[in-house]
Amino acid sequence: DIVMTQTPLSLSVTPGQPASISCKSSQSLLHTDGQTYLYWYLHKPGQSPQLLIYELSKRFSGVPDRFSGSGSGTDFTLKISRVEAEDVGVYYCMQSIQLPLSFGQGTKLEIK
Amino acid sequence: QVQLVQSGAEVKKPGASVKVSCKASGYSFTSYHMHWVRQAPGQGPEWMGRINPSAGSTRYAQKFQGRVTMTRDTSTSTVYMELSSLRSEDTAVYFCATENAWVAAAAYWGQGTLVTVSS
Repeated sequence: DIVMTQTPLSLSVTPGQPASISCKSSQSLLHTDGQTYLYWYLHKPGQSPQLLIYELSKRFSGVPDRFSGSGSGTDFTLKISRVEAEDVGVYYCMQSIQLPLSFGQGTKLEIK
Repeated sequence: QVQLVQSGAEVKKPGASVKVSCKASGYSFTSYHMHWVRQAPGQGPEWMGRINPSAGSTRYAQKFQGRVTMTRDTSTSTVYMELSSLRSEDTAVYFCATENAWVAAAAYWGQGTLVTVSS
């Protein structure tokens, strides 16, 4: 099974400042079809997880452009260019190149 | 718009079974896999398996093999997840989540169903 490892586990950011979350996979997520099957989710308190980024860097419908995904192979980053109060919650990376799907441990974002 | 509406919270005793439903609307039900993911208190999400609503075929995480059964009813656009031989460690929120034409993973999620296993 593919192991996903996120850092840091928690983050405290001043509104308007950038934030960055790292995710590493135990195997390459680059498929032979050229896509990288890495996803980012935000789980806000009391809500269902919401998809932010799919296939490494594609923003899902309705996701603000302050969210961006990058990386390659086994090393990935989610960046928030200017954190807003509504961005609080736990961020997870996930891989779907191989079953079982697997998630990182999560990164809790708080506002200073 | 895509909606996944799950059944309500359940309290079960150890050794019992639970069956959670997920009713889909707003898209072609048989076109995309439906996944089940659970999240225990204080832990990250854990993938349990998926079902192809068209064929009814399933893939389960090895951890749940023999204890989980996913089924579907195409007449009502509903998928079901049944977990048997419940133990306290199965206390979690259970989510269904569907793919879409662009996202071959969990794009849209249900609201979650809390299953509590307690004697």
